[in-house]
Amino acid sequence: QSVLTQPPSVSAAPGQKVTISCSGSSSNIGNNYLSWYLLLPGRAPKLLIYENNKRSSGVPDRFSASKSGTSATLAITGLQTGDEADYYCGTWDNSLRTVVFGGGTKLTVL
Amino acid sequence: EVELVESGGGLVQPGGSLRLSCVGSGFTFRIYSMNWVRQAPGKGLEWISYISSSGDTIYYADSVRGRFTISRDNAKNSVYLQMNSLRAEDTALYFCVRERVPQSAWFDPWGQGILVTVSS
Repeated sequence: QSVLTQPPSVSAAPGQKVTISCSGSSSNIGNNYLSWYLLLPGRAPKLLIYENNKRSSGVPDRFSASKSGTSATLAITGLQTGDEADYYCGTWDNSLRTVVFGGGTKLTVL
Repeated sequence: EVELVESGGGLVQPGGSLRLSCVGSGFTFRIYSMNWVRQAPGKGLEWISYISSSGDTIYYADSVRGRFTISRDNAKNSVYLQMNSLRAEDTALYFCVRERVPQSAWFDPWGQGILVTVSS
């Protein structure tokens, strides 16, 4: 059971838009910056978004993110088959004194 | 190029020990906090441990506290994870990660990962 809650899977057609949610509490998302990561099989995780909505170097502007209260959303527009991967949100938890991740969301581009 | 390279993984029996090492290059290692994160087969990311830039602040996940010890040697641009009393559930790909801002989960870059397998 992850501290941050993400949908297990999302899907959309090529060219469409998809959103991935990440829900937490005041001890984590509500009072700390959030990051988003992309995981491809057999490869090291890649930082997509940091400080809630800032794209990491080299990340295309098809990727965007926002945060409101204790929830956050990653949006991907103009979906490509290469976007198929697992996506994770992560942040610091002030109460647990640990980093917490969501359970991950598998994106399928139909 | 900023790079992290892990080593020291392998197959170990339950109850055994391993020491993971991670060497950083291409950046001023001593000013960054470092973390270990793992991914068990078919599972999600699990944060394991944090060490501040000076090494004076350390945190662990409950799942490894008392069994794993994180340390660093800034003179060698290295961070370590001593893993004792290993269990089957510790089998995972272990990543060394640089944290851009302390206690932020802003992890960049990630090492390529090192596999630890705990099995008899």
